[in-house]
Amino acid sequence: AQSVTQLDSHVSVSEGTPVLLRCNYSSSYSPSLFWYVQHPNKGLQLLLKYTSAATLVKGINGFEAEFKKSETSFHLTKPSAHMSDAAEYFCVVSDETGGYQKVTFGTGTKLQVIP
Amino acid sequence: DAGVIQSPRHEVTEMGQEVTLRCKPISGHDYLFWYRQTMMRGLELLIYFNNNVPIDDSGMPEDRFSAKMPNASFSTLKIQPSEPRDSAVYFCASSFRAAGTDTQYFGPGTRLTVL
Repeated sequence: AQSVTQLDSHVSVSEGTPVLLRCNYSSSYSPSLFWYVQHPNKGLQLLLKYTSAATLVKGINGFEAEFKKSETSFHLTKPSAHMSDAAEYFCVVSDETGGYQKVTFGTGTKLQVIP
Repeated sequence: DAGVIQSPRHEVTEMGQEVTLRCKPISGHDYLFWYRQTMMRGLELLIYFNNNVPIDDSGMPEDRFSAKMPNASFSTLKIQPSEPRDSAVYFCASSFRAAGTDTQYFGPGTRLTVL
């Protein structure tokens, strides 16, 4: 079975403080994991992805995520939030199930950055 | 490249009417995905194609929905007849390889309102 849980629907941080967006996943196979960002009225854009290489993945705009198999987690972090980071973030799990690629998006976390 | 192109960007129609959404993937990409995004259900994968062939349509909500990909550069998602509960933002995405290993590039979406 494949699933992804984003533990917080809303996160609010002050500008310049660290960001932590949490994601837990379930997969019967070796999954690939992604984080996408969606700014208001825009499509989704890839932030970073994990595909069985290094467990610490660096993405665009200073974001990074660590794949922890023992904890089935793929949390997204950034050391210092910027106003432009305010957006919705989606954690995505993908694997091959029954010969098909299956993709599941999390429900999203809205990040608010307070000046 | 212009990225994934979707048309129209906005569509307002009345219940019972036929609606056709269009997508042009990035040239050279052989996977194409259709998603629906609503506040209630989040982002859902409806169907995806590989080399113009539908691979998994298990996410298509019901027979009123159909999708085609007549060639590598064009796909349509049709709803006939449309209902108010179909109101959502519909995204098209394409990737070079299967979603499990490669980035999906999203279009800007079509915001559909069914009155």
